[in-house]
Amino acid sequence: DVKVTQSSRYLVKRTGEKVFLECVQDMDHENMFWYRQDPGLGLRLIYFSYDVKMKEKGDIPEGYSVSREKKERFSLILESASTNQTSMYLCASSLLGGSSGELFFGEGSRLTVL
Amino acid sequence: SQQGEEDPQALSIQEGENATMNCSYKTSINNLQWYRQNSGRGLVHLILIRSNEREKHSGRLRVTLDTSKKSSSLLITASRAADTASYFCATGKLRGGSEKLVFGKGTKLTVNP
Repeated sequence: DVKVTQSSRYLVKRTGEKVFLECVQDMDHENMFWYRQDPGLGLRLIYFSYDVKMKEKGDIPEGYSVSREKKERFSLILESASTNQTSMYLCASSLLGGSSGELFFGEGSRLTVL
Repeated sequence: SQQGEEDPQALSIQEGENATMNCSYKTSINNLQWYRQNSGRGLVHLILIRSNEREKHSGRLRVTLDTSKKSSSLLITASRAADTASYFCATGKLRGGSEKLVFGKGTKLTVNP
């Protein structure tokens, strides 16, 4: 069964802390994505990667960075967490790119920044 | 910015009834996808419909696409309490020279037993 695993389901961090959100997929997919989901705003794309060491900005990259050193792993980094980054973070992967690709999502990481 | 917008925002029905959710989008698409999300969980892919298709079925799900009206609908027949979830449409949007999936804000469906 295909799987996207996010390292933490719930995190509580303090303002200014560096936060790592890890995502691993076991489907050998080229494409990986980070979204954040907020009430009333839906899902918004933060960053995506279509190959190892490659990354592209999504719609809301400010305050975030990403790392893809291995094909199966895509990390989202909050260099200095702020309260407005309290959100649900969803990782996804796909075999095909663009709108042709079915996205497989992890269970989400709910981050609270105090 | 959103490409697809679902309507209604919330829908409450009784078990056994049909549920219809609509999605409108602004620019031409290659494909349109529907996803489901149970509360507090990740999204699960339901159906992909291509721009040259008008209708697609999967079990109790029926998706239609009208490219002239730039709209799609998701019909769930004979709904069950377990269908309670949020449903999202997603379409492609050019970003940085390549197409990426952009999601609407979703329709929250409640099926009452």
